[in-house]
Amino acid sequence: DARVTQTPRHKVTEMGQEVTMRCQPILGHNTVFWYRQTMMQGLELLAYFRNRAPLDDSGMPKDRFSAEMPDATLATLKIQPSEPRDSAVYFCASGLMGAYEQYFGPGTRLTVT
Amino acid sequence: GQQLNQSPQSMFIQEGEDVSMNCTSSSIFNTWLWYKQDPGEGPVLLIALYKAGELTSNGRLTAQFGITRKDSFLNISASIPSDVGIYFCAGRDSGGSNYKLTFGKGTLLTVNP
Repeated sequence: DARVTQTPRHKVTEMGQEVTMRCQPILGHNTVFWYRQTMMQGLELLAYFRNRAPLDDSGMPKDRFSAEMPDATLATLKIQPSEPRDSAVYFCASGLMGAYEQYFGPGTRLTVT
Repeated sequence: GQQLNQSPQSMFIQEGEDVSMNCTSSSIFNTWLWYKQDPGEGPVLLIALYKAGELTSNGRLTAQFGITRKDSFLNISASIPSDVGIYFCAGRDSGGSNYKLTFGKGTLLTVNP
């Protein structure tokens, strides 16, 4: 059963700390997306990759957020330094190039105190 | 940016009833997707639509790609308690970047046994 996996599932940290979230896309998928979900804003696209290359990160606060794909099986989203307003659920999704379906992971619930 | 209007925002129904929800956009879309999100989980893809007028079923769920290409509908027949969750529409507009989806705010469905 192919699924997107994300770690950690929950993260509580203090303001100013670095947070790293990891995602393993479905094997063979070559597009990867990072979303943030909040009650107020809903699902917001932060960044997406195709064949490990970043195509669009316009939704991400550049001064503190960074997204990378060190290899085809790992995508990371880093926040440094974290702030309380970053508290949200962060989802990774993957898909096949040429198709528009995106398959979501279970999310990382981040709480910054 | 592009926005989708999803309605209703919430529904409270009795088990066995049929449910209808819809999404509209201000621009033409060439792909519509419907997702369901259970509490504490990521959105799960239910149905994908690619052609105007297309009608696709997945068990008790039926979705349609509107003729105008600016709307889509999801129907659930004979609802059961496990249908509870948030239903999201998502679309890719014809002038948009490859692979980027716009999401609606969701319809919260509650089913009373």
